[in-house]
Amino acid sequence: QKEVEQNSGPLSVPEGAIASLNCTYSDRGSQSFFWYRQYSGKSPELIMFIYSNGDKEDGRFTAQLNKASQYVSLLIRDSQPSDSATYLCAVSGSNFGNEKLTFGTGTRLTIIP
Amino acid sequence: DTGVSQDPRHKITKRGQNVTFRCDPISEHNRLYWYRQTLGQGPEFLTYFQNEAQLEKSRLLSDRFSAERPKGSFSTLEIQRTEQGDSAMYLCASSQGTIYEQYFGPGTRLTVT
Repeated sequence: QKEVEQNSGPLSVPEGAIASLNCTYSDRGSQSFFWYRQYSGKSPELIMFIYSNGDKEDGRFTAQLNKASQYVSLLIRDSQPSDSATYLCAVSGSNFGNEKLTFGTGTRLTIIP
Repeated sequence: DTGVSQDPRHKITKRGQNVTFRCDPISEHNRLYWYRQTLGQGPEFLTYFQNEAQLEKSRLLSDRFSAERPKGSFSTLEIQRTEQGDSAMYLCASSQGTIYEQYFGPGTRLTVT
């Protein structure tokens, strides 16, 4: 079983709709959870992090964490063509998030104009 | 505040040659991480430093790989006797000890021919 699993996609969403990206992890001791956006040929860019159960909102992005289900998700509201990218879920074992990150393989998202 | 920088951005080398990459973290970030990413995969952890101390090394880091962070500032990653399987994007990230986020540099793309 992979430590961090994501649907590889591609996930296609019409412009203006809500994109929902999901991630599950195997280590119950995981403490911090991150979403990175990666454009083709570029490096990952941090867009959200969450470490408490529940929702965390930042602009059009909402991260949701359910530690009991070992599940973390990212919602993108009012999707824009510029949101088309690969989204990487990453997990850290530390409360401080400053240990190594374990990444999923990423979900490729395409926003259709 | 400038971001993480990496040099070179691209490196083409012949099998068997040695290569060295440099990473300059965000100033005052005391933690520095190296990851490797191949096509279609998420980044994989290689090693990380707190100041000049190397705290953890992945099993992926064979004896041909060595990393240093003299004086706790920039870091170098050296690969000796390169193999075609070493072809990948080598990513550096940094974080500050009391915050959660790891910020990535632009990466060094290595091609071994």
